[in-house]
Amino acid sequence: SAVISQKPSRDICQRGTSLTIQCQVDSQVTMMFWYRQQPGQSLTLIATANQGSEATYESGFVIDKFPISRPNLTFSTLTVSNMSPEDSSIYLCSAGTVQETQYFGPGTRLLVL
Amino acid sequence: QKEVEQNSGPLSVPEGAIASLNCTYSDRVSQSFFWYRQYSGKSPELIMSIYSNGDKEDGRFTAQLNKASQYVSLLIRDSQPSDSATYLCAVLTGRRALTFGSGTRLQVQP
Repeated sequence: SAVISQKPSRDICQRGTSLTIQCQVDSQVTMMFWYRQQPGQSLTLIATANQGSEATYESGFVIDKFPISRPNLTFSTLTVSNMSPEDSSIYLCSAGTVQETQYFGPGTRLLVL
Repeated sequence: QKEVEQNSGPLSVPEGAIASLNCTYSDRVSQSFFWYRQYSGKSPELIMSIYSNGDKEDGRFTAQLNKASQYVSLLIRDSQPSDSATYLCAVLTGRRALTFGSGTRLQVQP
């Protein structure tokens, strides 16, 4: 299995600001993903973080709002831009290993005031 | 129609009983299926993966897959209060990401 860490673990931000979340995996992985889990809801995929190229976004998520970087096989960042209270959520990074098994980081709990 | 459907629960079972969690999916070409457990305030933790029709057992957990019926289930034998959590069914998409059901909340009564 892959061990995944995320920073920060939580943050409280003012509307209109941006926050960058970091995700670090302890081994090289093929696939990295970013999910959002809104209060009381299940997980929704934001995008696939592609190493060395632009991320692949799901319907309803755009690069200007959620820019993603993945400079190598073990690290990715997600930025939540121009935040509003509706962005308050848990943001989760996952890494895909053999047979497509995905492991999740501990999540970043974001509150936007 | 949602791509992955689960009863939200709560499903309440007495300690020592078998808990049965069910999931249906809409994409017939799906090949990989996963069960995650999520405790309140924590991230999802992988319990089981299953790729072939039939049963797959791991300790107290058994995953069952029926591709013809597009149905996946998770059985938890000898349920313990520590099994109380939300169980998420997930299906691998063509883009190798996961689509999750809404989750079933399980309560094991001591």
